[in-house]
Amino acid sequence: GAVVSQHPSRVICKSGTSVKIECRSLDFQATTMFWYRQFPKQSLMLMATSNEGSKATYEQGVEKDKFLINHASLTLSTLTVTSAHPEDSSFYICSARSPVGVDLDTQYFGPGTRLTVL
Amino acid sequence: GESVGLHLPTLSVQEGDNSIINCAYSNSASDYFIWYKQESGKGPQFIIDIRSNMDKRQGQRVTVLLNKTVKHLSLQIAATQPGDSAVYFCAETGGGFKTIFGAGTRLFVKA
Repeated sequence: GAVVSQHPSRVICKSGTSVKIECRSLDFQATTMFWYRQFPKQSLMLMATSNEGSKATYEQGVEKDKFLINHASLTLSTLTVTSAHPEDSSFYICSARSPVGVDLDTQYFGPGTRLTVL
Repeated sequence: GESVGLHLPTLSVQEGDNSIINCAYSNSASDYFIWYKQESGKGPQFIIDIRSNMDKRQGQRVTVLLNKTVKHLSLQIAATQPGDSAVYFCAETGGGFKTIFGAGTRLFVKA
């Protein structure tokens, strides 16, 4: 089946620094990837839709200058949290949709990245 | 029953019993629905899906029911096992291909 990986799985950083999270589709090409954020005991909230070769589409209330998304290839999307602050501490999860070979609506989720900002 | 103080509603069942988890969705234009299972510290895991032209779909030990009239989705787990303990989310996808997650339900299975 389709596998999506994320790196790193956990990251701790100091307030004011930037953190980059990678999302890779391992055995399929993904023209569309999605980034979600999940706070403890809450649901997944869609942050942005990442399209290969074009600008990401951000959900209302998500700062595009703070959460930089790059989808430079069909297998890699990155999320950079710039000038991170403690309130950015969360579980960040990506998902990928394959354009061919599988159901177009099916999303495959990564294992998530736990970000802790001190 | 519900647990006070948690954001997620909670369902406690005895091992071997059947579980029913309910979900109300919001967008009448949504045409694809998915149930995910999420264990602590992990990403969501696909369980079963259903399209809006169906009202029931069965998998192994799981059944999803869709009632479009009242915009209601349910997940039935037969013979619930301790390994089924997790948080379950329903999700809806519409024409924009965005998947929107519901609030989630925590399932506790008592041995």
